[in-house]
Amino acid sequence: GEDVEQSLFLSVREGDSSVINCTYTDSSSTYLYWYKQEPGAGLQLLTYIFSNMDMKQDQRLTVLLNKKDKHLSLRIADTQTGDSAIYFCAEILYGNNRLAFGKGNQVVVIP
Amino acid sequence: EPEVTQTPSHQVTQMGQEVILRCVPISNHLYFYWYRQILGQKVEFLVSFYNNEISEKSEIFDDQFSVERPDGSNFTLKIRSTKLEDSAMYFCASSDKLLGPTNTGELFFGEGSRLTVL
Repeated sequence: GEDVEQSLFLSVREGDSSVINCTYTDSSSTYLYWYKQEPGAGLQLLTYIFSNMDMKQDQRLTVLLNKKDKHLSLRIADTQTGDSAIYFCAEILYGNNRLAFGKGNQVVVIP
Repeated sequence: EPEVTQTPSHQVTQMGQEVILRCVPISNHLYFYWYRQILGQKVEFLVSFYNNEISEKSEIFDDQFSVERPDGSNFTLKIRSTKLEDSAMYFCASSDKLLGPTNTGELFFGEGSRLTVL
């Protein structure tokens, strides 16, 4: 079944890189997503990766997927104060029309 | 930019009371969803809705819950008799297509409605 795990809190200095990790259990996951939630706002799609890819880069964001270990990570380069938020990874299984989310990672950027 | 809007942003209610959470999805979207997040826990799928009927629901979505699209713009979640454990942030979402690799739909979420049951 679907199970997505994330660690909970990360503090990083402005300008440094942040790495957020996520593990999932279902090998039939087809798309894996990263969502961002700023205070008082909804869940915003940041990026996604298809399960047949190892890496995807999108400006300051790099997503790495290790299918063997069922491990997904999001690297944010040159972290800015506006990156302070909760980051959720989520997966979708083939044939489903719903997302399974992790608990989220709170990232706090220190100026 | 089009967005999903939800009301109220916060509702406090007594146990046993009925609650209706309202959502206005993006206007040309066809698929509608409710998710919820109990404090400190995962965001969980509740229900999806298409063509005026429920297309999928989770085990959380029991007989106390119902959804409705009463007109062309609103999508509501009703909890008939609230319990303490219904306290959570409820997120509405919509998409123009089915999700996943062959359909490439993207979920757009609202800001959430925080429900507190006392």
